Amino acid sequence: QSALTQPASVSGSPGQSITIYCTGTSGDVGGYNYVSWYQHHPGKAPKFVIYEVSNRPSGVSNRFSGSKSGNTASLTISGLQVEDEADYYCSSYTSISTWVFGGGTKLTVL
Amino acid sequence: EVQLVESGGGLVQPGGSLRLSCAASGFTFSSYWMHWVRQAPGKGLVWVSRINNDGSGTMYADSVKGRFTISRDNAKNTLYLQMDSLRAEDTAVYYCAKTLKHHMDVWGQGTTVTVSS
Repeated sequence: QSALTQPASVSGSPGQSITIYCTGTSGDVGGYNYVSWYQHHPGKAPKFVIYEVSNRPSGVSNRFSGSKSGNTASLTISGLQVEDEADYYCSSYTSISTWVFGGGTKLTVL
Repeated sequence: EVQLVESGGGLVQPGGSLRLSCAASGFTFSSYWMHWVRQAPGKGLVWVSRINNDGSGTMYADSVKGRFTISRDNAKNTLYLQMDSLRAEDTAVYYCAKTLKHHMDVWGQGTTVTVSS
């Protein structure tokens, strides 16, 4: 049950685009289209922004998009806004019927 | 409004026990799998456990297997996490979350557990 691998931090300026990568194995990210992404502002409840690799829930800006290639999933945020500054986590269902999260990525909007 | 409210956190000595509760409202609780997820201070989210909708199936992270027990009372719309043999490394904010398909679509605000002498 090793955590998925994410960069510790990314940054961008307002209006720019950033991509956060999430690397797992064939037993999780690569084996299922059940990757989800969560936005977490410290002290608040996490909020899901992408589910099943690339689906966006209602109410989430279309500036958020997701994709997957092999064992690596990615979250792209375009047209960065100050309120996007948060911690982002990927998660995947696994072959042993558990779930696993990535280590988290701190997004700084400069 | 769909809502999850955790309670039961607090300070406990190493080796002690604590039971967390998660009160659900605004949805048909008995229809959904539920999870516990935790976040240690300065660390990331870590999946802890899940239970299916009728309570007949459970799974745990290796780090808590044999020490933690997830359960639910669908009549009371409440999810539980019984935590025994607590260790310092169990110190964290514990969140409950509702499952929709294979992701967690609703989260509570969390309850803080501190294991220290």
